[in-house]
Amino acid sequence: EAQVTQNPRYLITVTGKKLTVTCSQNMNHEYMSWYRQDPGLGLRQIYYSMNVEVTDKGDVPEGYKVSRKEKRNFPLILESPSPNQTSLYFCASSYSGALPGEQYFGPGTRLTVT
Amino acid sequence: AQKITQTQPGMFVQEKEAVTLDCTYDTSDQSYGLFWYKQPSSGEMIFLIYQGSYDEQNATEGRYSLNFQKARKSANLVISASQLGDSAMYFCAIKSTGNQFYFGTGTSLTVIP
Repeated sequence: EAQVTQNPRYLITVTGKKLTVTCSQNMNHEYMSWYRQDPGLGLRQIYYSMNVEVTDKGDVPEGYKVSRKEKRNFPLILESPSPNQTSLYFCASSYSGALPGEQYFGPGTRLTVT
Repeated sequence: AQKITQTQPGMFVQEKEAVTLDCTYDTSDQSYGLFWYKQPSSGEMIFLIYQGSYDEQNATEGRYSLNFQKARKSANLVISASQLGDSAMYFCAIKSTGNQFYFGTGTSLTVIP
């Protein structure tokens, strides 16, 4: 089954404790992306990747890191999480960065930082 | 930078009626794509429909159609024959040659039986 998977689905952590949210897709997609969703703000792009070893900042990259060592994986790293990073996070992928490029989303990761 | 505006935080529609969800956008690019996504209460994001800026015809996918008015920079989603399962958040998004996606703040649709 074609899908984007994220792990963990739920995470409660404390300020400053490094964490990684994994994202994997099995569709051989070139373009991958991370979003955060906050009430009233919609989805905001954190980072995106056009292909292996190519990553770029989105609208809200501060406090996050990503890497794209393999085509299928695109982990999101929070080196020192803070409470303002409490949010719902989505990973998404699309066939390529060219249009149309509709994205397929993972199920989301709900992160709480206390 | 691109921008998406969805001015309707919440909408109600009677079952079997049609409903239009508004979306306006701002971009200086000539080539761009417009997308609509649905987010039911279960939380997943579901792709509904796509319209390219050079497409001459309005996009349609089943009960979904996109009313694309390029000069007005609007890309409204029309859902015909609403069903209870259409109750969800709906997000409009734009992507241009800059490879970034920009989403609106969403419209919550409630279908009334």
